Order: sequence, then structure tokens, then C-alpha cells
Amino acid sequence: QLQLQESGPGLVKPSETLSLTCTVSGGSISSSSYYWGWIRQPPGKGLEWIGSIYYSGSTYYNPSLKSRVTISVDTSKNQFSLKLSSVTAADTAVYYCARQGWQWLVLGWFDPWGQGTLVTVSS
Amino acid sequence: QSALTQPASVSGSPGQSITISCTGTSSDVGGYNYVSWYQQHPGKAPKLMIYDVSNRPSGVSNRFSGSKSGNTASLTISGLQAEDEADYYCSSYTSSNVVFGGGTKLTVL
Repeated sequence: QLQLQESGPGLVKPSETLSLTCTVSGGSISSSSYYWGWIRQPPGKGLEWIGSIYYSGSTYYNPSLKSRVTISVDTSKNQFSLKLSSVTAADTAVYYCARQGWQWLVLGWFDPWGQGTLVTVSS
Repeated sequence: QSALTQPASVSGSPGQSITISCTGTSSDVGGYNYVSWYQQHPGKAPKLMIYDVSNRPSGVSNRFSGSKSGNTASLTISGLQAEDEADYYCSSYTSSNVVFGGGTKLTVL
């Protein structure tokens, strides 16, 4: 059974870089059938897609975050990572990682999801 | 990209059917058959309920069904149960991106 687990600091100072890692277990991140995505949810608000990565390193980013986001993959560790630079209080959210289906260069559904990790931006 | 439009809330009594709409444009919902629906209980991660407009993942009750007409997708829950009370989100592919709806809170009366 595939499982994903987010890890990283729960508190980040304004203007610094948020860094999170998602560890995949029960399956290979190198599967050709899936992308791997990051999604966030500010407290009490809706879901926002951040970006997705293929095992080869190909990425797609949300245009509204693209200038601050870097997603990378480490196939040897079965992990993928998120870096979000120049954070502000508006970046405070629960951050989820998830496996993403795709076909014909089109990104699709997310399943399963990690349990999520709350990252607070505060001095 | 703009978020997809969902009603903020819907409600229904046990046993009834409800439908949640998800309205986009011809660039997202109307242009691709890659709409998915997620259920989220408080404090929990979202769970995939419907993918590719109308397909149910293994293990999801057949009380949940999805459809699409033009730029609007819909999630229907039949035989409403107390455990269905949750937030529901739609999502669609659009121009190398993914966009979510604002979410709908379902209350089971």
C-alpha cells in the first residue's frame, strides 16, 4: 500500500525559505505512470496546487507561485522535495504531498495524499 | 488561473440525494475530461472520490457519482449518510496546471 509522509520544519521566519520533503513508501517514485505533487491549504481555506514533478525531473508549477517554487526529486531515496522562497505569513498552511495520475501530458487526480504538515511563517 | 466555482454549502437529510456543482470555463472543466472530486473531513487529508469526471476509485461507495455538462461538473451523493458530512473539492487540469474549486461544506441534517 503506497504511503506518503511529509517532513520538515513547522516554523519558518518571514523572508526565509520553506523546505519540505515527501518520502514515498510501498512503491517506487520512478514509476512512469505518475507525477508527484505538492498541494497546500491555509487554515480554514481551500486547496491550492503548488506544483508537480516526474521522476525524470520534469516539473509543472502554479503560475502564481512559480517565481518562488522549486520542486526536486531524489529517486535513490524515493523522495521529492519542495522549496518555497521569500515566505510571508500568507504562506502559512498545511502542506500535502500526493501521487498524481497523468496521461497524454495532462495532469490528473491526486491519490493517495500524505497526512499533511502545518508550516507556520512567523518571526 | 481562477479557482473553479463551487457553492459554499449544501445540505440534505439522511437518505436523500444532493448534487454539488463545479463551474469553470472551456479552458479547464469544459476543455478536458480530467475533473476529480475530493472529500475532506476536519483535520484529515483529502480523499479521492471521483476521477476523470465519472470514475470511482476502488473502495469508494457507488453512492458517489460524477458527471459533466459543458463547463460545469457535478458530484452527486445518493442515499445521504451522516458520515458523508465533510468538505468537498473539485479539481481540473488547465493549460499545464491544476486548479481547485473553493470547496463546498456538506451538512447532513
